[in-house]
Amino acid sequence: GQNIDQPTEMTATEGAIVQINCTYQTSGFNGLFWYQQHAGEAPTFLSYNVLDGLEEKGRFSSFLSRSKGYSYLLLKELQMKDSASYLCAPYNQGGKLIFGQGTELSVKP
Amino acid sequence: GAVVSQHPSWVICKSGTSVKIECRSLDFQATTMFWYRQFPKQSLMLMATSNEGSKATYEQGVEKDKFLINHASLTLSTLTVTSAHPEDSSFYICSARSLAGGPETQYFGPGTRLLVL
Repeated sequence: GQNIDQPTEMTATEGAIVQINCTYQTSGFNGLFWYQQHAGEAPTFLSYNVLDGLEEKGRFSSFLSRSKGYSYLLLKELQMKDSASYLCAPYNQGGKLIFGQGTELSVKP
Repeated sequence: GAVVSQHPSWVICKSGTSVKIECRSLDFQATTMFWYRQFPKQSLMLMATSNEGSKATYEQGVEKDKFLINHASLTLSTLTVTSAHPEDSSFYICSARSLAGGPETQYFGPGTRLLVL
């Protein structure tokens, strides 16, 4: 089976840094995605990690530890538009994306 | 970037009627398309995986006779909600995986909001 755990809600201040953690248990792990979803819209791709380590892409970085079943998404220089839900999604050998419950991030001025 | 469209973007129907939702990959060919459902304040739940020219694979708990999926071409998949009931009201999202790419080439449509009265 699959089990994905991430915080339900987080609040941060504009300009700050926030880290959203995700732990997972899944069979046939092949990598991990992070998506951003604004209310009423479809998810948009942020990152895909296959190997252990940190991958940086502008203000967003994503980290993966396969042995620990752990990932995090790091958002720097937060902006108001970053208020959204952030979805952790392990990718398995069956070719499926299974989404976690999502973390609702609120960025305050 | 790659574009996936869905039609209609929203639909209201009476209980007992059937509703068809189309998912199209506009500028690439998709071997595989996925259908998700999302209830308010919840995450996306995978309903089924469809491959062009073959039967869809449904996730546990999803009724295949109620949610009919057809993947007739490399650019089109349809989801038909048969005999819709108010509890089927939800946000339905499709995604399409490029024929040429790896797992990161999975693109999401804008979603279809269904309201059953």
